Amino acid sequence: QKEVEQNSGPLSVPEGAIASLNCTYSDRGSQSFFWYRQYSGKSPELIMFIYSNGDKEDGRFTAQLNKASQYVSLLIRDSQPSDSATYLCAASTSGTYKYIFGTGTRLKVLA
Amino acid sequence: NAGVTQTPKFQVLKTGQSMTLQCAQDMNHNSMYWYRQDPGMGLRLIYYSASEGTTDKGEVPNGYNVSRLNKREFSLRLESAAPSQTSVYFCASSAPRGHTEAFFGQGTRLTVV
Repeated sequence: QKEVEQNSGPLSVPEGAIASLNCTYSDRGSQSFFWYRQYSGKSPELIMFIYSNGDKEDGRFTAQLNKASQYVSLLIRDSQPSDSATYLCAASTSGTYKYIFGTGTRLKVLA
Repeated sequence: NAGVTQTPKFQVLKTGQSMTLQCAQDMNHNSMYWYRQDPGMGLRLIYYSASEGTTDKGEVPNGYNVSRLNKREFSLRLESAAPSQTSVYFCASSAPRGHTEAFFGQGTRLTVV
């Protein structure tokens, strides 16, 4: 079992809708969680990170963390075709210096 | 700032050949990482260096060696390339104080024939 799990998708949403991407993790020692976006043929780029229970908003993006359920999610409001990409969830544990990634969810926003 | 720079961007090797992938960062980060990315497998950690002078194995270290040459540079060596090492390789760096993210290089697409 991978330490960080994501549904590979593809997740298809119409333009303007909310896209909901989910991630679960198995290591209860994980403290920080990251969402990266990766366009085809490109390197991952950070969208946002979260380390406290609850919601964190940045523009059209909201990250949600529930440590009791070991669950992280990313909501993208008003989805645009340019949001079509693979979204990678990552977890890190303080003191281990490692970032463990899920397999990624492919998002398609349909115009 | 260039961030994280990897060389080369593309490489084709024959089975059994050796090569070294180079990575350098100019962000004064302590920690550096090598990942490989294969379809459906996500990013898998090969080796990492928490700080200058230390290296540790990640999830998939077999067939690879690394050298943390100095604080800026972290190289990945394939001693005897195999077709199973065909992949996209990413170098990353971070300053793991608090909740900081990893920054990625542009990747090296390696094909072993």
